[in-house]
Amino acid sequence: AQTVTQSQPEMSVQEAETVTLSCTYDTSESDYYLFWYKQPPSRQMILVIRQEAYKQQNATENRFSVNFQKAAKSFSLKISDSQLGDAAMYFCAYRSPVSGTYKYIFGTGTRLKVLA
Amino acid sequence: DTGVSQDPRHKITKRGQNVTFRCDPISEHNRLYWYRQTLGQGPEFLTYFQNEAQLEKSRLLSDRFSAERPKGSFSTLEIQRTEQGDSAMYLCASTVEVGPTDTQYFGPGTRLTVL
Repeated sequence: AQTVTQSQPEMSVQEAETVTLSCTYDTSESDYYLFWYKQPPSRQMILVIRQEAYKQQNATENRFSVNFQKAAKSFSLKISDSQLGDAAMYFCAYRSPVSGTYKYIFGTGTRLKVLA
Repeated sequence: DTGVSQDPRHKITKRGQNVTFRCDPISEHNRLYWYRQTLGQGPEFLTYFQNEAQLEKSRLLSDRFSAERPKGSFSTLEIQRTEQGDSAMYLCASTVEVGPTDTQYFGPGTRLTVL
């Protein structure tokens, strides 16, 4: 069974600085999808970025980028030029590409605090 | 269309009572998911639907839990004979396949408190 591990329960970053959130996963599949979701306090969870495992190039979305290390089964999220609005819980998630299996598996989350 | 909606947003009930939650997905989305999230944890998968068919159900979902999605539109999640351990946030998400994978859009959740 696949698992997703986020070993940092909480992280802090100074406004305008860069922070990296860690995620590791375990799977026997060779192809899959990885995601980072953001859950602001008392607000809906939204997708930040996603990565297809067959793509070697790391995904980027504006200030957000990932470092995808397939062999190490590592999928970290880098947030550049941190803003106060980035403060939230961040969840790493895995999804199998196997047809008919669309279950997402989430990690336990990392709470990001942004200091003014 | 303004996104995924869930009703009610909060529910307080006494142990042993039945509760039902509703999720209205984004209209063109054919997949609908239910998750449970407890404090300090990530969402735990409960079940999902492709149109009206319930395709997968977690072992977390005991016989007291049932979900439906009649006509492939809105979905309901019912918990019978609630227990204090059922207290959690229940999240709904809907998706549509775009390119190689889908993107989940989450609702605001229903927070259940069982006294």
